[in-house]
Parts: sequence; structure tokens; C-alpha cells
Amino acid sequence: EPEVTQTPSHQVTQMGQEVILRCVPISNHLYFYWYRQILGQKVEFLVSFYNNEISEKSEIFDDQFSVERPDGSNFTLKIRSTKLEDSAMYFCASIESLDEQFFGPGTRLTVL
Amino acid sequence: AQSVSQHNHHVILSEAASLELGCNYSYGGTVNLFWYVQYPGQHLQLLLKYFSGDPLVKGIKGFEAEFIKSKFSFNLRKPSVQWSDTAEYFCAVNAHARTSYDKVIFGPGTSLSVIP
Repeated sequence: EPEVTQTPSHQVTQMGQEVILRCVPISNHLYFYWYRQILGQKVEFLVSFYNNEISEKSEIFDDQFSVERPDGSNFTLKIRSTKLEDSAMYFCASIESLDEQFFGPGTRLTVL
Repeated sequence: AQSVSQHNHHVILSEAASLELGCNYSYGGTVNLFWYVQYPGQHLQLLLKYFSGDPLVKGIKGFEAEFIKSKFSFNLRKPSVQWSDTAEYFCAVNAHARTSYDKVIFGPGTSLSVIP
């Protein structure tokens, strides 16, 4: 069964450093999403992406964040200058059509 | 704005007890409804979903949920829980629109602990 994959599974970084989280959505899916879950809290929407542009973004998704689909398979989330409060689990999701979003296993980001 | 609330933050049950987790949502239009489960250290897994049709939805692992439109509710049930059901359960909703693929709004989650 096709699935969304994410790398790395765990990323540790120093405050102020840039990180890139990578996702490979399911191949025929057209809509892509990033969510995050701070430890012990609910899953929050960050951004949706379609046709090579952002469809919607939340207030969390400020200028420090960016997304890109650099090729036909990868979908990346970049955090330019990480802060302590960016520590969270980041989930990528994708969808083909009117169906549920398929979530990846997540990347745990730890900012020291 | 859409929002999702879940009735219980933490539920503790003994094995074989029945489970009902409450979920209410706030949205004026037609919605898709979901229950996700997150086992310790694992990623989100879809338990069941409601898009349209029969409001009683059956999912994996013996779970079911009932959509009551008049109450804006989508409660999750299981007649007899097992220790392996210990996990975090998230109710979620997105707008049911044929021209957009809206974000999923998650509830705060209910932590279920099943005691052997």
C-alpha cells in the first residue's frame, strides 16, 4: 500500500540554525500539507500546497517557514532560524481527491 | 472558524469495558469527519471516517462512530476495549467542499489508558 514517507525521523538542531524536513507524498497525490504537534498538544495545521503554490497557511506559518516542491516527488518544509518553540513533531500529509489525508510518520524536531 | 472539542482529556478503563469518546465540532457547512489514533511513539493512523451516507460508521479494530448532525457530534465507540487500545485519540474535521481540499482541524485529543 502506498504511503507518505518523511526524513529524517528525528532531527536535533541548535537554536538559530536552518532545518529542512523532507516528505515524499504518495505519487499520484496533488495536495500536500504540513502539520505540527508540540509534545502533549493537539495536531495543528501549518500550510497546504497545490500546483506549486501555497493554498492556505496558518498564523503559525510565519516568515521563518517556507515550503517547496523541488522536484516531482519531494515536498520540503524549511525553518530558516529555528527557535526553541519550534520543537515538535512535524507531519506531512497528502491527498489525491475527495478522500482522507494520508499522514506520514512524522519528523521529531528538537531545538536546543 | 472550524473547531473541534473532545469531552475527555484522559480516560482510564479496565479491559473489556465499553468505550465512548465524545466529539463535537463547530462549522456551519457540510463536513468530513475523522477519528485518528496515535499509539505511543507512532504516527497518526486513521480509525474511521464519515463523508456521507449511513451516519453509523464502522472502522478498524472494532471501532465505530455515529454522526449526529443535529448535535454536531461524532462520538467514537467500542464495545469492549483491550490493553492494546491504549493510545491518544483525535477527532478531526474538514470542510466538505468539492472544489477545495481543506485543512484538517484536530481536536485536543483524548488519552485512553486501558488497564489489564
